[in-house]
Parts: sequence; structure tokens; C-alpha cells
Amino acid sequence: EAEVAQSPRYKITEKSQAVAFWCDPISGHATLYWYRQILGQGPELLVQFQDESVVDDSQLPKDRFSAERLKGVDSTLKIQPAELGDSAMYLCASSLTGYTDTQYFGPGTRLTVL
Amino acid sequence: EDQVTQSPEALRLQEGESSSLNCSYTVSGLRGLFWYRQDPGKGPEFLFTLYSAGEEKEKERLKATLTKKESFLHITAPKPEDSATYLCAVQGGSNYKLTFGKGTLLTVNP
Repeated sequence: EAEVAQSPRYKITEKSQAVAFWCDPISGHATLYWYRQILGQGPELLVQFQDESVVDDSQLPKDRFSAERLKGVDSTLKIQPAELGDSAMYLCASSLTGYTDTQYFGPGTRLTVL
Repeated sequence: EDQVTQSPEALRLQEGESSSLNCSYTVSGLRGLFWYRQDPGKGPEFLFTLYSAGEEKEKERLKATLTKKESFLHITAPKPEDSATYLCAVQGGSNYKLTFGKGTLLTVNP
């Protein structure tokens, strides 16, 4: 069964350092999403890609966060510099076309900022 | 702005004790309501999509229903392996964005 892959699964870093997360969506899925989930809360959308284009990054803190999906397949989310408040689970999801298609989630990256 | 409220925040059941989880929502133009299951430290796992009031879907011990203002996830004769956080999300408006609730933490004791 096809799955969304993410790495690393866990990341511990010190504040002011740079971190990067990688996501490989289900093959053939045109839409890719990055979510942030704080403990005890539901996921919140950070950025949405349709192929290689950003279609929604309204909730992405652009002073420190960046995301790219250069060839319209895998994607990287970067934080520079990391702050204590960035500690959370970072989830990647993909869907076939991005309309009412189901979003399938990866296992997530648990980030701890010390 | 789309909003989703789930209740209760936590629910503890004995094995075999049926119950329901609630998801109340406000959205401009519902395109779909989604239920996910999330185990600790893992990503959400898709369960159901409901598109219109009156629709129902079932999977094993779970049954999801939808009205114009809320959705229920009914759990019949739960087992300990049903213990997880259940998340509800709505998709509406023009951007197809999912808005999630905070989830209900279900614990089923043997």
C-alpha cells in the first residue's frame, strides 16, 4: 500500500539553529500539504502545493519558515532559525488532485527545540 | 472562518460499552467532512468522508453520520485497540483547506 514518507522521524535542535524536514508523497499525487500539530491540538495547515506551485502559504511564518517542491514530487520544509515555540509534530500529507480528494498523512517529524 | 468543535475532549469506556463522539462545525459551503484516527506519535489515519446531510458510512465498529451542523462517530462494542484520538475536519469555501478540531481522546479499558 502506497504511503507518504517523511524524514527524520525525530529531531532535537537548539534554538537559533536551522532544521529541515523532507516529505515524499504518494506516487501520482499532485497536491502536497505541510501541517504543524501542537500537542493536544488538531493539525494546522502551513503550506499547500499544487505540483510545484504554492497555492496557500497564508499561515506559514515566512520570516523563518520556507518550503519548496522543486520538481513537483518531494518537498522540503525548513526553519531558520528555530525557536522554542516551534516544538511540535510536523506532518506531511498528499492528495490526488487537491479538491475534495482524501488527504493521506505521513508519520510526521517530532521536533524538539531546546 | 471555518470552525470545528469536538466533544468530549476525552472519553473512557469499558470494552463493549458503545458511545458516540460529536463534531460540531460552522463552514461556508461544506465540501466534505473527514474523520481521522491518530495513534500517539503517529500521523492521522483516514477513516471516512461525508459530503451531505443524511449520509452515513460504516467501517467495522465505527459508523459516521452527518447533519447540517454536526457529525457523530458512533462506536459499537469498542475494543481496547480502538483507543486513539479521533479527529474531525471540514473542507469548505474556495480553497479546499482542511480545518481540524482538537480531537477526542478515546480510551477503551479491557
